[in-house]
Amino acid sequence: GQSLEQPSEVTAVEGAIVQMNCTYQTSGFYGLSWYQQHDGGAPTFLSYNALDGLEETGRFSSFLSRSDSYGYLLLQELQMKDSASYFCAAPHPGQNFVFGPGTRLSVLP
Amino acid sequence: GAVVSQHPSRVICKSGTSVKIECRSLDFQATTMFWYRQFPKKSLMLMATSNEGSKATYEQGVEKDKFLINHASLTLSTLTVTSAHPEDSSFYICSARVPGLAGVNLDYEQYFGPGTRLTVT
Repeated sequence: GQSLEQPSEVTAVEGAIVQMNCTYQTSGFYGLSWYQQHDGGAPTFLSYNALDGLEETGRFSSFLSRSDSYGYLLLQELQMKDSASYFCAAPHPGQNFVFGPGTRLSVLP
Repeated sequence: GAVVSQHPSRVICKSGTSVKIECRSLDFQATTMFWYRQFPKKSLMLMATSNEGSKATYEQGVEKDKFLINHASLTLSTLTVTSAHPEDSSFYICSARVPGLAGVNLDYEQYFGPGTRLTVT
């Protein structure tokens, strides 16, 4: 099976940089996805890492280290609208996703 | 990008009644859709995988007779909560895999519907 772990909460101020970690244990691993979900809304896809290293998309970057079973999502130039829950997810071989418990990000003025 | 809709967005029903939730892929065909349940401030829990033209695959612990899934076409999957009870009150979200280009598997990305808030009184 698969399990993912994430810190439950992170707080940062506007304009800062925040890193949200995700560690995983899995019997088969294809890559790590990241999703953002605002309260009451649907999760939206942010990024995916199939290979080790950093993927950058604007203010968002995601990193993966397969040898450490670890990844993180990095948000730069934080804005109030970035306050949301962030989930890492791993595709289950040939089937569906397993989602981590999520990190709730609060951005303070 | 791919769009997935859900209807209704909110529903309140009485104990013992059944509720149907629709999930539609609006601009693509989805052979596989997923149904999730989410409690407040918790993660998404996969309930079942819905495959067009075949029976759904349920996750362990999910009652298939209570949560009926029908994937009758390539753009529509429905979830029916039968004989609903207050403990079934939750946020139900569907998602669909985006079909990739020929030979490319885009399993890493799913598009989610806006969710349905079910309240059973």
